[in-house]
Amino acid sequence: EPEVTQTPSHQVTQMGQEVILRCVPISNHLYFYWYRQILGQKVEFLVSFYNNEISEKSEIFDDQFSVERPDGSNFTLKIRSTKLEDSAMYFCASTATLDTQYFGPGTRLTVL
Amino acid sequence: KQEVTQIPAALSVPEGENLVLNCSFTDSAIYNLQWFRQDPGKGLTSLLLIQSSQREQTSGRLNASLDKSSGRSTLYIAASQPGDSATYLCAVITGTYKYIFGTGTRLKVLA
Repeated sequence: EPEVTQTPSHQVTQMGQEVILRCVPISNHLYFYWYRQILGQKVEFLVSFYNNEISEKSEIFDDQFSVERPDGSNFTLKIRSTKLEDSAMYFCASTATLDTQYFGPGTRLTVL
Repeated sequence: KQEVTQIPAALSVPEGENLVLNCSFTDSAIYNLQWFRQDPGKGLTSLLLIQSSQREQTSGRLNASLDKSSGRSTLYIAASQPGDSATYLCAVITGTYKYIFGTGTRLKVLA
């Protein structure tokens, strides 16, 4: 069964550094999402992406964040200058049908 | 603004007990509702998806119901086992097709 994959599973970085989190959505899906979950808190929507454009973004998704689909298979989330409060689990999701999303296993980001 | 709340926040039960987890949402204009399981430090495992036109879904020992008009869903777990210990999340799919997650219920099933 096709799955959403994410790399790396765990990323450790220093405050102020740039990080890129990578996702490979299910191959025939057209809608892509990023969510994050700070430890002990609820999963929060960050951004949705369709047709090479951001469809919607949350208040969390400020100018430090960007998303890109650099080729036909990858979907990336970049954080330009990481802060301590960016430490969280980041989940990628994709869908073909809008009403059901398929989630990846997550990337745990630790900012020191 | 859609808010999703889950009660109780934590639950500890002896093995074999039947239990009910509750999820409530403030805006009944949802597409679907989905229940997930999350083990500590891990990803989201989809358990059941209830479409807005449905009232319930069943999978094995799990049964989820949806009452859109009252903004409620319940997840029923029959004959609980220690392996069911995890955090259970509900999420509603909104008009802009993003998921809004609840606060989660941390379940511990004691052997």
